[in-house]
Amino acid sequence: QVQLQESGPGLVKPSQTLSLTCTVSGGSISSGGYYWSWIRQHPGKGLEWIGYIYYSGSTYYNPSLKSRVTISVDTSKNQFSLKLSSVTAADTAVYYCARWGIFGSHFDYWGQGTLVTVSS
Amino acid sequence: QTVVTQEPSFSVSPGGTVTLTCGLSSGSVSTSYYPSWYQQTPGQAPRTLIYSTNTRSSGVPDRFSGSILGNKAALTITGAQADDESDYYCVLYMGSGISHVVFGGGTKLTVL
Repeated sequence: QVQLQESGPGLVKPSQTLSLTCTVSGGSISSGGYYWSWIRQHPGKGLEWIGYIYYSGSTYYNPSLKSRVTISVDTSKNQFSLKLSSVTAADTAVYYCARWGIFGSHFDYWGQGTLVTVSS
Repeated sequence: QTVVTQEPSFSVSPGGTVTLTCGLSSGSVSTSYYPSWYQQTPGQAPRTLIYSTNTRSSGVPDRFSGSILGNKAALTITGAQADDESDYYCVLYMGSGISHVVFGGGTKLTVL
């Protein structure tokens, strides 16, 4: 059973960079066939795809966030990470990591989510 | 900009049948978009229900089904139960377009 777990600071100051890591267990990021994804949900709002990465390092981002987002992968640690720069209060959200299956084109496993608040 | 549309809210009586839809602001949804559906209850991560239009995820009861109805993807719940009261999100895979993955705005389903 694949499990994903987000970790990182729950509070980030405005203009700084939000950094989160997702640790994958029960399966290898390097196995192929999946993109490793970040999704966020503003309080009381819907879900928003941020972007995803393949184990080889290929990335695809939501155009609305592309200028501020970097997703990277560390196959040796079976982790992938999100960096979102120049954050404002509008970036306050629950951030989820998830696995996107290339076969079937869908999210099949999700982390539990972590709340990140942007505030001074 | 591609917008994926869903009904903001819907209600169904216990035991009843409800169909939620997922459309595009411009154009029609087809199987080529690999529509998928997710259920989310407050404070919880989303749960995958349906993928590739009509394939149920492991462990999902068969009262949940997916299809294409007209120019939209659809999620039908037959014999609704109280614990089906949740938010439901569709996702379309846009492929090599501007944004690979787009979420719909979600439908809040009330069972009463």
